[in-house]
Amino acid sequence: EIVLTQSPGTLSLSPGERATLSCRASQSVSSNSFAWYQQKPGQPPRLLIYGTSNRATGIPDRFSGSGAGTDFTLTITRLEPEDFAVYYCQQYGGSPLYSFGQGTILEIK
Amino acid sequence: EVQLVESGGGQVKPGGSLRLSCTVSGFTFSSYSMNWVRQAPGKGLEWVASMSISGDFIWHADSVKGRFTISRDNSKSLLYLQMNSLRAEDTAVYYCARGRYSGTTSDYWGQGTLVTVSS
Repeated sequence: EIVLTQSPGTLSLSPGERATLSCRASQSVSSNSFAWYQQKPGQPPRLLIYGTSNRATGIPDRFSGSGAGTDFTLTITRLEPEDFAVYYCQQYGGSPLYSFGQGTILEIK
Repeated sequence: EVQLVESGGGQVKPGGSLRLSCTVSGFTFSSYSMNWVRQAPGKGLEWVASMSISGDFIWHADSVKGRFTISRDNSKSLLYLQMNSLRAEDTAVYYCARGRYSGTTSDYWGQGTLVTVSS
């Protein structure tokens, strides 16, 4: 079973700062099969990044993804007020077919 | 505009059954794999089930295997989740989502339907 562990659990930053969110997999994950989502209260998740580093449609370029193997990173440069939310990483193709990290809460400091 | 709308949620007693539906519009349903993902109150996301474009390939999470069944009707652009032998731990918002990029991600999600299993 592939387990995704996100860190930190909570990240407190101010608008304009840079955010770095990490996700570590218990086994190697294909770079084509790694994604990041953003979720705000009362809303469904929103796809941000697919294939480790590709921004989904309509996602601003302040969001970027990187990584390979077992270590992946989501970087948000110059935080905007609307970026404060919960972020989930996700892998596909292992066992289970999909798995999600436990989430990182990005809160306003 | 791509839209996915879940329905069929509600309150049910332990051991009971529910069938969730997901009605889609704005895209050719028969060209995409589809997924169900759930989120217990205040918790993270948990993948539940997936179905390939044609329906030939089906996957279920171990936590629901043997109790839940995903299905689709491409002629009606409908996705279903039949849930039997429901347990308290199945209480969650259930989202349907469109598979994309060879099914590796879900690019559009519905607003979700709440299932509450309680006596």
